[in-house]
Amino acid sequence: KAGVTQTPRYLIKTRGQQVTLSCSPISGHRSVSWYQQTPGQGLQFLFEYFSETQRNKGNFPGRFSGRQFSNSRSEMNVSTLELGDSALYLCASSAPRGQETQYFGPGTRLLVL
Amino acid sequence: QQQVKQSPQSLIVQKGGISIINCAYENTAFDYFPWYQQFPGKGPALLIAIRPDVSEKKEGRFTISFNKSAKQFSLHIMDSQPGDSATYFCAASRQGGGAQKLVFGQGTRLTINP
Repeated sequence: KAGVTQTPRYLIKTRGQQVTLSCSPISGHRSVSWYQQTPGQGLQFLFEYFSETQRNKGNFPGRFSGRQFSNSRSEMNVSTLELGDSALYLCASSAPRGQETQYFGPGTRLLVL
Repeated sequence: QQQVKQSPQSLIVQKGGISIINCAYENTAFDYFPWYQQFPGKGPALLIAIRPDVSEKKEGRFTISFNKSAKQFSLHIMDSQPGDSATYFCAASRQGGGAQKLVFGQGTRLTINP
């Protein structure tokens, strides 16, 4: 079974721009979660989508948004980028209800200049 | 209440030794405690996980010890090998309602000296 895939793997943007990151979950997985990883703050939960609905949200400003499509693929969007948004953005998928294990993708490394 | 505190930040162990990483949590509603291993340039990979109804779980060289009353859990790596050198994260979540939200510790950078 193919793992979680994320595109692009690397991205360089400038302040004020917006960015869209993509995540394809493991086949059959309907829950997709997004995390931000930085050296200072560690791994922080952004949001989770299940069956195209946001089911849980972390403490991030409204500039961070996401969505999920009917095929469970997910995108996250960051608008008006700030220098502090530079991070590794990780996507994780898990199976339908009752299967807690989250499988992570390799991440998208975003650098904001 | 949502925090998970992990220690130490970094750890150096000789090959063949035992590596021990500790975590403490505050929220008694947490009911799932996984450990993840992350190599540079990769996403975290699940190592082993435990629920609070057991005090210990072993998978190969990896063991989780869980102390519900103290709200602490730890990862033991027996016979540590250079290939175990990585960053380890403990995490916790509350599975009720099906929502998936992992709260992570700050991570421990483990180095195994050959």
